[in-house]
Amino acid sequence: ETGVTQSPTHLIKTRGQQVTLRCSSQSGHNTVSWYQQALGQGPQFIFQYYREEENGRGNFPPRFSGLQFPNYSSELNVNALELDDSALYLCASSLVRESEQFFGPGTRLTVL
Amino acid sequence: KNEVEQSPQNLTAQEGEFITINCSYSVGISALHWLQQHPGGGIVSLFMLSSGKKKHGRLIATINIQEKHSSLHITASHPRDSAVYICAVGHYGQNFVFGPGTRLSVLP
Repeated sequence: ETGVTQSPTHLIKTRGQQVTLRCSSQSGHNTVSWYQQALGQGPQFIFQYYREEENGRGNFPPRFSGLQFPNYSSELNVNALELDDSALYLCASSLVRESEQFFGPGTRLTVL
Repeated sequence: KNEVEQSPQNLTAQEGEFITINCSYSVGISALHWLQQHPGGGIVSLFMLSSGKKKHGRLIATINIQEKHSSLHITASHPRDSAVYICAVGHYGQNFVFGPGTRLSVLP
């Protein structure tokens, strides 16, 4: 059984660009949540996908969007990147919406 | 007031000491998670609790639903326990809210 994987591990972009981050959930998990963790702060919930549908969203603007595929892997897309988007982006999968979450290693995004 | 608070914010202990980290929350929850984050970012889920107490190795987690409080205990602490410990609460089917974390340093 493989754990949660994320790609890429590191990414550098410039302001105004767009980025796509990817997450493969743990085998059998149908729920994926995305979090943003700025340096020195706790993770902030971005949104959750359950069986390919968005199932809750945190206080993030619409330029943060997501997608979940039939195999339950997921993408996080961020348009019009801003300097403050620089952070560690974590995804977590769970068997069902409220069960224990298993986190991926994260993607560190730097916006210059 | 934040929905999830942790204390202490920072903690330094000597190897072998018994450690307690506290989490208080102000909202109704369906589950509480204790997470460990090492430098470099990786997060590991230590426990998920909805009632009572759980034990895994040297780690013990307790929750008091009535008092809206949870504690994470580490017995016989070791330098490899040095990490940030985060409490996160889940609202029925809704997003998880994270505490600010407790930075633990265990000195040899």
